[in-house]
Amino acid sequence: EVQLVESGGGLVKPGGSLRLSCTASGFTFSNAWMNWVRQAPGKGLEWVGRIKSKTDGGTTDYAAPVKGRFTFSRDDSKNTLYLQMNSLKAEDTAVYYCTTGAWVYYAMDVWGQGTTVTVSS
Amino acid sequence: DIQMTQSPSSLSASVGDRVTITCRASQGISNYLAWYQQKPGTVPQLLIYAASTLQSGVPSRFSGSGSGTDFTLTISSLQPEDVATYYCQKSNSAPWTFGQGTKVEIK
Repeated sequence: EVQLVESGGGLVKPGGSLRLSCTASGFTFSNAWMNWVRQAPGKGLEWVGRIKSKTDGGTTDYAAPVKGRFTFSRDDSKNTLYLQMNSLKAEDTAVYYCTTGAWVYYAMDVWGQGTTVTVSS
Repeated sequence: DIQMTQSPSSLSASVGDRVTITCRASQGISNYLAWYQQKPGTVPQLLIYAASTLQSGVPSRFSGSGSGTDFTLTISSLQPEDVATYYCQKSNSAPWTFGQGTKVEIK
């Protein structure tokens, strides 16, 4: 079964840091471009960014609101994606989804269940 | 960055109605356009990719069309289980921006 499982969410104070993890199974993780998508309470979907496969350069792209504060990384030996979030703001409060295009190109056909990040004092 | 604008932001239609949602890109994106459905309280699911390719398992009443800057998602006969918010997303280049969403309800 193709699956993405996020973990690491929680309550953090403004200015704090948090690291999310996403563990993949059921597909060849090392070949996958992995994305993070978030959804603030009652709001729409926001693409946070992505990390390409190492064979495609392993490069990262970030949405403007998180650039310079968030960092994506991956450990292909553990089939795990990471999102390091620093200098967190109240507006980063959201459900964070790990996603990928496991069987399609240029779309996201596999989503994790999401992990909630709350930034509040 | 390219902006994605959906319309309408919400709609209410009767069971069996034909429903059309539009998505406009501020610049051409060829056919790098996907549609997602998010039912209340659930994780989004891919409906259509490459503007018009139906994702496996998605009912055939859903269809997508368009290329360049203008795209449509059509539900040929609205069903109660189609109550959801629908999002378009560009994927030609980063950032993979979403539209703001269209909430579909049953009248």
